[in-house]
Amino acid sequence: AQKITQTQPGMFVQEKEAVTLDCTYDTSDPSYGLFWYKQPSSGEMIFLIYQGSYDQQNATEGRYSLNFQKARKSANLVISASQLGDSAMYFCAMSRVRVYSTLTFGKGTMLLVSP
Amino acid sequence: SAVISQKPSRDICQRGTSLTIQCQVDSQVTMMFWYRQQPGQSLTLIATANQGSEATYESGFVIDKFPISRPNLTFSTLTVSNMSPEDSSIYLCSVEDTVPNHSGANVLTFGAGSRLTVL
Repeated sequence: AQKITQTQPGMFVQEKEAVTLDCTYDTSDPSYGLFWYKQPSSGEMIFLIYQGSYDQQNATEGRYSLNFQKARKSANLVISASQLGDSAMYFCAMSRVRVYSTLTFGKGTMLLVSP
Repeated sequence: SAVISQKPSRDICQRGTSLTIQCQVDSQVTMMFWYRQQPGQSLTLIATANQGSEATYESGFVIDKFPISRPNLTFSTLTVSNMSPEDSSIYLCSVEDTVPNHSGANVLTFGAGSRLTVL
């Protein structure tokens, strides 16, 4: 079984600063995928970034980067230069590779960006 | 990625009634997925809907409570039957993108969700 743990219920950051959202995972699968989604107050889930377990390099997507440490089973999301619009709930999730539809989600971290 | 429309976006329902949520996708997809997000909680997969066959339900979810229809490759409905306050949740429809992203993953795209409150 797969398990995602997000230990930070809430995080505060000032605009233009960087912030790291923690995510640790547990799985017995040899291959897996790690995802981060953003959920604004409107409710939709917005895909941010993906990391495959066999990817050698950490994934980056614009201001988002994924700090993947396989030995530690962690997949932290780093948001650089925070913006007010980044205020939202952030979910870490994992899947089996090539079975991306069955995602196991963490409980989420609420990020608040202040001016 | 696919564009997903869900109706209703929100509703307030009375205990004991049923509500059907609609999900429309702008492209043909093989599988559609229904997730539930209870207040303050994470997302949990309810079922997978394939066109032309019965939906596959996850542990803890049953067809009598959450009947699903999948009449064609772009549309699905989820009914929440005989609702109780414990069914107050956001219900999200999702599909797997047919074109992998640059990392090779077929990312799940979600609809905006249907926020149900049961009194």
